[in-house]
Amino acid sequence: DVKVTQSSRYLVKRTGEKVFLECVQDMDHENMFWYRQDPGLGLRLIYFSYDVKMKEKGDIPEGYSVSREKKERFSLILESASTNQTSMYLCASSFPGTGGAETQYFGPGTRLLVL
Amino acid sequence: RKEVEQDPGPFNVPEGATVAFNCTYSNSASQSFFWYRQDCRKEPKLLMSVYSSGNEDGRFTAQLNRASQYISLLIRDSKLSDSATYLCVVNMGGYSTLTFGKGTMLLVSP
Repeated sequence: DVKVTQSSRYLVKRTGEKVFLECVQDMDHENMFWYRQDPGLGLRLIYFSYDVKMKEKGDIPEGYSVSREKKERFSLILESASTNQTSMYLCASSFPGTGGAETQYFGPGTRLLVL
Repeated sequence: RKEVEQDPGPFNVPEGATVAFNCTYSNSASQSFFWYRQDCRKEPKLLMSVYSSGNEDGRFTAQLNRASQYISLLIRDSKLSDSATYLCVVNMGGYSTLTFGKGTMLLVSP
């Protein structure tokens, strides 16, 4: 079974703090993704990575950065947290490909509250 | 720009009912199609892939209509445990990236 883990289930931070969210997968997947999920807005892609040290912007990258130094680990960084970044953050991983091969497996999510 | 559209619901049905959800997508070049299930305060999990010929997995049947650009999910003999949000998901041709609909909520009552 694919396992995707995230460093925290719940996190409370103050405005202006630097926040690190960590994600680790154990299935040797090349692709990793960070989403945020908000009521009424669904899942929105922040960044993704298709290889070590590679990163691509998703739909809403502003205010975020990422790091992928090892294949199994993908970090999301909020350089200066703001209240509008309060959200559920979901990490996912997949093999590359199409036709079903790109099925994504999600971690349990981190609920971040920025005060 | 709405790329994957779903009726948000909620769909309230009694146990044993048959319920169907539809989803439309905007990009005719889309390649792969999925239904994911998300329980309250949990992560999304793959329910089933959707193939052009249609496919069935137990009580669940998925259909794809490429000409009309819509996907459907049929659930027969609904169970209480089917209560969840069902996400329609499409690969619109971007390499390995998926576009998620906002989900349709299903509530199955005794």
